Amino acid sequence: ETGVTQTPRHLVMGMTNKKSLKCEQHLGHNAMYWYKQSAKKPLELMFVYSLEERVENNSVPSRFSPECPNSSHLFLHLHTLQPEDSALYLCASSQGLGDNEKLFFGSGTQLSVL
Amino acid sequence: GQNIDQPTEMTATEGAIVQINCTYQTSGFNGLFWYQQHAGEAPTFLSYNVLDGLEEKGRFSSFLSRSKGYSYLLLKELQMKDSASYLCAVRDRSSGGSARQLTFGSGTQLTVLP
Repeated sequence: ETGVTQTPRHLVMGMTNKKSLKCEQHLGHNAMYWYKQSAKKPLELMFVYSLEERVENNSVPSRFSPECPNSSHLFLHLHTLQPEDSALYLCASSQGLGDNEKLFFGSGTQLSVL
Repeated sequence: GQNIDQPTEMTATEGAIVQINCTYQTSGFNGLFWYQQHAGEAPTFLSYNVLDGLEEKGRFSSFLSRSKGYSYLLLKELQMKDSASYLCAVRDRSSGGSARQLTFGSGTQLTVLP
């Protein structure tokens, strides 16, 4: 248990569906992240929020829409996804954005787009 | 940009010592992290190096040589539970933006055999 909880653990959706991924951290951290992990590929940073403000949007297609209502919760809203979006989506948090800050990850949502 | 290389797979025997290498190319190096990720689980922090030398933490040690762009993770007295993917990640100030700086390698899948 890392203190970061993601739901659902698994999600199968069609290309026309709309779904949301949820992340909650119980660590009192100020920064939260979405990463994409595809098989045999490095983790790709998608979005970063610090104190509920988005500070990074790493050229992610608009079919992915993040939301951070407070410092403990982070959502990733999905709509009209493509099969190549199938991957493990990892949420992470850190105390701040300092150079030595370590990330605490959730177990991820395994997404399959049909 | 930056390039992070680590072996895709390694195999070792229970009780042995294994060294997982990571090389990187970056123009604004500002720290290197190692994470462990068991299948279907969250990546968890192992170590952080920003200065040259060896950092020891129990059975795990991490080494950094900034001049060579090289790090290794050393695992001693291997146990079956050490079978996992080991991720090298580098902070690079030249990437711009604080959160965008952390770039991950593809990971090394370690299998520990009895």
